[in-house]
Amino acid sequence: QKEVEQDPGPLSVPEGAIVSLNCTYSNSAFQYFMWYRQYSRKGPELLMYTYSSGNKEDGRFTAQVDKSSKYISLFIRDSQPSDSATYLCAMRVGQGAQKLVFGQGTRLTINP
Amino acid sequence: DTAVSQTPKYLVTQMGNDKSIKCEQNLGHDTMYWYKQDSKKFLKIMFSYNNKELIINETVPNRFSPKSPDKAHLNLHINSLELGDSAVYFCASSLGQNQPQHFGDGTRLSIL
Repeated sequence: QKEVEQDPGPLSVPEGAIVSLNCTYSNSAFQYFMWYRQYSRKGPELLMYTYSSGNKEDGRFTAQVDKSSKYISLFIRDSQPSDSATYLCAMRVGQGAQKLVFGQGTRLTINP
Repeated sequence: DTAVSQTPKYLVTQMGNDKSIKCEQNLGHDTMYWYKQDSKKFLKIMFSYNNKELIINETVPNRFSPKSPDKAHLNLHINSLELGDSAVYFCASSLGQNQPQHFGDGTRLSIL
């Protein structure tokens, strides 16, 4: 079983829809959670960075962490064609030299 | 203004050859990383350096040797290239070991 599970999709939704992207994880020691966006032929770009359970909002993006269920989500409101990309969740145990563990990434397409 | 830059962007070479990939960051970060992204988009850490000191060394064949001449540079040398080395290699950097990582746009390595 992988430490971080993420449905690779593809996921296709109409412009303006609310998008929900999810990851589950097995290691209860994970404390820091990130979402990265990766456009084709580009490197991952950090979107959201959270610590502990709860919600964090940034513009049209909301990151949600539920440590009791070992489940994290990224919501995109009023989705735009420019949001079409692969979204990767990533997480880390704690302080110090700890590696980031990534999900496989979900490929998202927003149709105009 | 490229923050994390990698050269070359594309590398096509024969099996058995030796090649190097270079990475430079102008963000003033002190920690740098090499990741490998396979054809299924899984992103896995290979190495991490903090202030030129190796701090993460995942289970990677010893044909791969990183070198950090200074805090702003991290190079990756690969000996005796194999077909399975075909992938996209990403360099990343962060300010300290616990801060978000910023990625370059990758080097696409193809082994013939």
